[in-house]
Amino acid sequence: GAVVSQHPSRVICKSGTSVKIECRSLDFQATTMFWYRQFPKKSLMLMATSNEGSKATYEQGVEKDKFLINHASLTLSTLTVTSAHPEDSSFYICSATPGQGRNQPQHFGDGTRLSIL
Amino acid sequence: AQSVTQPDIHITVSEGASLELRCNYSYGATPYLFWYVQSPGQGLQLLLKYFSGDTLVQGIKGFEAEFKRSQSSFNLRKPSVHWSDAAEYFCAVAITGTASKLTFGTGTRLQVTL
Repeated sequence: GAVVSQHPSRVICKSGTSVKIECRSLDFQATTMFWYRQFPKKSLMLMATSNEGSKATYEQGVEKDKFLINHASLTLSTLTVTSAHPEDSSFYICSATPGQGRNQPQHFGDGTRLSIL
Repeated sequence: AQSVTQPDIHITVSEGASLELRCNYSYGATPYLFWYVQSPGQGLQLLLKYFSGDTLVQGIKGFEAEFKRSQSSFNLRKPSVHWSDAAEYFCAVAITGTASKLTFGTGTRLQVTL
């Protein structure tokens, strides 16, 4: 149980285009999902916390207008990288948890490798 | 703010040898503690977690970790490493509960020689 699906797994696109990444909890409801970014051979850096039905909470230094997050349902959160440029190339990973109070850890998707040409 | 330190960037062990990966955290109280493993180009898989109770926790794939409050440590161990254990290992903490954001260490890359 507790499977998180992330799609697509890899994206290659031209500079200036927008890219949408989906994160789905397949067998549980997730009121909270998280989006991380991982640079090569580096750790994961939290970008934002996505809450169902409300605005996402962004970490300091993360551009809200660049990285749009939508959490429209209890099983889906999306991250849209708008007007992507080569410096946005990275590995993006989402996570979700069934929720606080149940001692359920976060479960991660398999990540999306974004390459901007 | 909380922080996590993994002192070893890269560790190489022979197959069959024992393994210990170090993790230290900085936080005023006892956080929620996790170890995750990441294979190249993949997401993270939870190995084990500590919330409270018995300070020695067992995880998947034969891994265990021991929480030592006095040392603010949560080291990961395995008695006998297999070649398939080669991966990146991340220690992480959460403060207010399992639904709160994770703070990750910088990771330890494990290489296993045959």
